[in-house]
Amino acid sequence: EDQVTQSPEALRLQEGESSSLNCSYTVSGLRGLFWYRQDPGKGPEFLFTLYSAGEEKEKERLKATLTKKESFLHITAPKPEDSATYLCAVQSLVTSGSRLTFGEGTQLTVNP
Amino acid sequence: DSGVTQTPKHLITATGQRVTLRCSPRSGDLSVYWYQQSLDQGLQFLIQYYNGEERAKGNILERFSAQQFPDLHSELNLSSLELGDSALYFCASSSPTGELFFGEGSRLTVL
Repeated sequence: EDQVTQSPEALRLQEGESSSLNCSYTVSGLRGLFWYRQDPGKGPEFLFTLYSAGEEKEKERLKATLTKKESFLHITAPKPEDSATYLCAVQSLVTSGSRLTFGEGTQLTVNP
Repeated sequence: DSGVTQTPKHLITATGQRVTLRCSPRSGDLSVYWYQQSLDQGLQFLIQYYNGEERAKGNILERFSAQQFPDLHSELNLSSLELGDSALYFCASSSPTGELFFGEGSRLTVL
């Protein structure tokens, strides 16, 4: 069974204070690892897909990296508008279609 | 805006009742996925449809059912509702490259 564990559960940062979120996974053949952002009461918003170990993707203040067992979401010089829950999910080679297994998320708060 | 449309946004009902949630996928997407998000749990996969056919089932209760229609919209039917069914229900459709794009969700409150 595919499993995704995210840490920490919650993280408070001051504006400008860089940090990283962790996503550990076990999967029966990784097709892709996905990062989403979710604001309270809203649907998850797609951020990145990573397909193989060593791959990196960047978007504004966010950079996602992937190893064979985990992924990191690095947040550089965060701003209050980066406050959200960040979700990690895996897609397996053996499951149907694009079904994703999600972690429970890291709730990020950035204080001004 | 993801392009996935869900209605209603909010729904309040009583235990034992039945509700229907509706989803329209992004234009051109053939797959629809339903997920449940409770306060104490992450996003849980319920069921997937592709071009009108059921493709995969997750932890979906027998009281719940879904279908996808010829115009590709999907409905999730929840019956004999219990307090524990209160949650956000999300629909998503998938791009050709595998990303899921989620709607804004339907918040169900069972009293």
